[in-house]
Amino acid sequence: QITLKESGPSLVKPTQTLTLTCSVSGFSLVTDGVAVGWIRQPPGKALEWLALISWNGNEEYSPSLRTKLTLTRDISKNQVVLTMTNLDPADTATYYCARSLSTVRYKWNRPTYYFYMDVWGRGTAVTVSS
Amino acid sequence: EIILTQSPGTLSVSPGDRVSLSCRASQSVYTNIAWYQQKPGQAPRLLIYGASTRATVIPARFSGSGSGTEFTLTINSLQSEDFALYYCQQYESGWTFGQGTKLEI
Repeated sequence: QITLKESGPSLVKPTQTLTLTCSVSGFSLVTDGVAVGWIRQPPGKALEWLALISWNGNEEYSPSLRTKLTLTRDISKNQVVLTMTNLDPADTATYYCARSLSTVRYKWNRPTYYFYMDVWGRGTAVTVSS
Repeated sequence: EIILTQSPGTLSVSPGDRVSLSCRASQSVYTNIAWYQQKPGQAPRLLIYGASTRATVIPARFSGSGSGTEFTLTINSLQSEDFALYYCQQYESGWTFGQGTKLEI
């Protein structure tokens, strides 16, 4: 069974750094074509994609949040960690991690992977407030 | 950034109805579109990927179609458990979500 579980603080002060951990089971972080993505959802609002780390360690970040986000992973622990710096009340949201599978298209004989999120964690709610 | 526009924002329907939800992309995303269902207090659930492929254990009443910039999620014979929020997402260039369509009774 594939599961993902997010963990981290529920309350953070403005300007502080948030560290969220995604613990996965039922699949490997280094299986070809697999990635783990992070998505957030402010209360009552739409989903917003944040970042993704692929099986080969490639990292992708939302252009609007690139300077605030860092992804790391611990393969031995089956964990992916998202760090977000300089928090603002606008970062109040439920944060989800999701396993991402891929389809492949070849451009100039080189594979390009296109990831969609197939299994999601339950999410963890984070409030940014002083 | 590719912008996805979903319509309508809210759709009032009845059990047994057939509904079509629209998702329009600001530029071509080929068939790199996924659809998710979200119920209150729950995480999103993948319904469709590749514009038209149903995810595992998704009932056959859910179907997706489209390519390029125009996509549709169709739900045949609505069940009570289908009343929820539906999001489309493109993964052709980065990842973006639409603003969602809410199905309500």
